This record gives sequence, structure tokens and C-alpha cells, in this order.
Amino acid sequence: KQEVTQIPAALSVPEGENLVLNCSFTDSAIYNLQWFRQDPGKGLTSLLLIQSSQREQTSGRLNASLDKSSGRSTLYIAASQPGDSATYLCAVGGAQKLVFGQGTRLTINP
Amino acid sequence: ETGVTQSPTHLIKTRGQQVTLRCSSQSGHNTVSWYQQALGQGPQFIFQYYREEENGRGNFPPRFSGLQFPNYSSELNVNALLLGDSALYLCASSLDGLAGSNTGELFFGEGSRLTVL
Repeated sequence: KQEVTQIPAALSVPEGENLVLNCSFTDSAIYNLQWFRQDPGKGLTSLLLIQSSQREQTSGRLNASLDKSSGRSTLYIAASQPGDSATYLCAVGGAQKLVFGQGTRLTINP
Repeated sequence: ETGVTQSPTHLIKTRGQQVTLRCSSQSGHNTVSWYQQALGQGPQFIFQYYREEENGRGNFPPRFSGLQFPNYSSELNVNALLLGDSALYLCASSLDGLAGSNTGELFFGEGSRLTVL
């Protein structure tokens, strides 16, 4: 059974800092890994999708890496802004479904 | 291109009642998945529909059922509501060329917030 863990559960940093969010998973037989952003009471916004054959993906200030052998992914956010405050969810794609971590609640302080 | 839309956005029911939630998939997508997200938790997979057939189910009892229509829209039905069914219900659409695979990116709607009293 796939299990996904995100550490830390919450993170608060001053504006402008670079930061890393961590995601680990127990079964390396995955199709893909997807990072999402969720604002309070809202749905999920897809940030980055990494296929199992890829090592990383970049979009703007975001960079996500994938290391299947160690069961880890990281989301790197450069030059953080108050608008980046949200919960970030990592999800591992298997047959038919995504398995989610519990998320990291990120607060960027002006 | 329209995104995933869900209705209603909020609803309140009492224990024992039944509820139907609706989802319109993103244009061109033929697969719909439903997830339940309790407060403070990550979403949990309920089931997936591909070409109007259930194509995978999570650890949810039979009182959670669904439908997918020829236009790829979908419904989630929950019977005999329990207090523990209170959650945000998320619909996601994707384009899967093969049944049983999940190589594509999932796009989520804003969710339906269900409160059971």
C-alpha cells in the first residue's frame, strides 16, 4: 500500500527566502508525481507534474525533483512571496488514482 | 477551454439523508475521479469513471456510488449519510488513453463542501 508523507506539516518564513518542501513515498512503482497548491476552502491547483521517467520539472519560480529509487520528491520555491501562502500537497500517481500526502501549510510573512 | 466545474459549492444535510454531487469535466477529458478531503487531511480516492464505467475504487462503502454520462460529466451519490461524511468532495478530470492507466495530469474543481448534521 502506497503511503505518502510530507514534512514539515507547517512552515513559516519571511518573504524573499528560498525554501524546500519535502515529500516521501513508500512504493517506487509510480506513474508520476504531481504537486498541488490549495488555498483555504478551495480546490486543488496543479503546479507541476513529473512523469516517472523524468528527474525534474520547472515552472517559473518553482522546481520539483523526483528520485524514485529513494522515494523522494522536493518542491523548491525561489524568492518566496506572501501570495505563495497556501497548503502544498504532493500526490503520487498509480493505476487509476493519486495517493496524497497530508500537505505542508506554508506561510510567507511580509 | 472550460475547467472542471462542480455543484453545489456548499450544502447541509442531516444524518440518514441522501446527496448527489455533480461534476462537469474539463473539455476533451474522458476520465473523472472523485476524492474526499476531510478537514486538515489530504484527499482520499473514492472512485474513477472512464467511458461511463467504474475503473477503480478506493476504500469506501457501497453507499458511495457514481455515474458518468456520455458527455463525460459525472455524479457522486452518497446514501444514508453519516456525520463522518462531512468533507470537501473534489472532482478531477484527466485524459487517459488506456483504461487502468493514470499517466496524465489531473485537473481538479473547486469542490463541494458537505456538512452532515
